[in-house]
Amino acid sequence: DTAVSQTPKYLVTQMGNDKSIKCEQNLGHDTMYWYKQDSKKFLKIMFSYNNKELIINETVPNRFSPKSPDKAHLNLHINSLELGDSAVYFCASSHRRPPLRSYGYTFGSGTRLTVV
Amino acid sequence: DAKTTQPPSMDCAEGRAANLPCNHSTISGNEYVYWYRQIHSQGPQYIIHGLKNNETNEMASLIITEDRKSSTLILPHATLRDTAVYYCIPGYNFNKFYFGSGTKLNVKP
Repeated sequence: DTAVSQTPKYLVTQMGNDKSIKCEQNLGHDTMYWYKQDSKKFLKIMFSYNNKELIINETVPNRFSPKSPDKAHLNLHINSLELGDSAVYFCASSHRRPPLRSYGYTFGSGTRLTVV
Repeated sequence: DAKTTQPPSMDCAEGRAANLPCNHSTISGNEYVYWYRQIHSQGPQYIIHGLKNNETNEMASLIITEDRKSSTLILPHATLRDTAVYYCIPGYNFNKFYFGSGTKLNVKP
């Protein structure tokens, strides 16, 4: 299936731990994103990578470090997890310079992170 | 980036048309209007987009006013599975899609 896939789907961890979330897309897109959806349901962009190059970093703490080994993968590593990091994290992908009939973003199904 | 105004919630009877309005009066000339929806914490799903002309696909129709300051998403025959939060997003720069608070559509039997 062509899609954006994230792992794990659920992640429960203690404060202070370090964790990673992985994202892969097989849509041939050249740009990938991380969005955070908090308890109030607002979706906020965190990072964007184009062809492995960081192009957006939206005032995210240094504890969050994205890594893009290739244009089909974008992982999110979080150090020293805090209670406030609890949220649903969505990965997405798109063409940066889309064809005329592009559909914008394709989102993954999300990773629900709970910090206890 | 253009700002949007959408009603926080709307109700629609199953089988009837759902008309979801969006005001985007600050949209620039080369920005498209995109519509996405999010069903109960799933990943947002693309619905439709347009620039100037009205658009229709298998999911919905998009009506854009001539001055492009507002648009309406139409779900012609709403079903219970269309219950979701609907987001209207002006944009041409795919690097920065900003999601507002959207409209929670409740489709009722």
